[in-house]
Amino acid sequence: KNEVEQSPQNLTAQEGEFITINCSYSVGISALHWLQQHPGGGIVSLFMLSSGKKKHGRLIATINIQEKHSSLHITASHPRDSAVYICAAPNTGNQFYFGTGTSLTVIP
Amino acid sequence: NAGVTQTPKFQVLKTGQSMTLQCAQDMNHNSMYWYRQDPGMGLRLIYYSASEGTTDKGEVPNGYNVSRLNKREFSLRLESAAPSQTSVYFCASRLNRVWSNQPQHFGDGTRLSIL
Repeated sequence: KNEVEQSPQNLTAQEGEFITINCSYSVGISALHWLQQHPGGGIVSLFMLSSGKKKHGRLIATINIQEKHSSLHITASHPRDSAVYICAAPNTGNQFYFGTGTSLTVIP
Repeated sequence: NAGVTQTPKFQVLKTGQSMTLQCAQDMNHNSMYWYRQDPGMGLRLIYYSASEGTTDKGEVPNGYNVSRLNKREFSLRLESAAPSQTSVYFCASRLNRVWSNQPQHFGDGTRLSIL
């Protein structure tokens, strides 16, 4: 049983398309994290959110605490958005539950 | 800003060899973590250190040992490397476990191959 589930696992889009990545979790959390990992690269934190919506440039993250669901949207996608996107939920201790990631490829 | 620094970036070992992966952070964070990342499995916690002087096992600790040398440094040791330990290893740090809305900061990873 995975505490954090992501969909889709793989996603290919044409440049300019609107992209949605979904994350569902089964544990009680106070905040959900979205991470980005470029091919062969490190991992960076994009968002932490506990309610509502956050926006950073063309990236928008939303969360519905009651439904235990979060989405990451990318507007006007660009090839440089090609990366693996990971959602993560902290547990009540000092650890995180991680999704297996969504691999996004944006084609010019 | 260095953030989290891992060394080495790449390493090839033979089965049975030992090695230590080094990790240092300059953000005065209390908590530090070691993860491995394998295709299709996501990040899995090997060990973590909630604060200087403490370490705890994560999901996949077998075959590894850790040392929290001081507040800045957290090393991961493979005593007798096995091919199943071929993976990408990430070190991460976090300010304080009390506030769950604190992000983790990751190093660039160590790509380790065991032949």
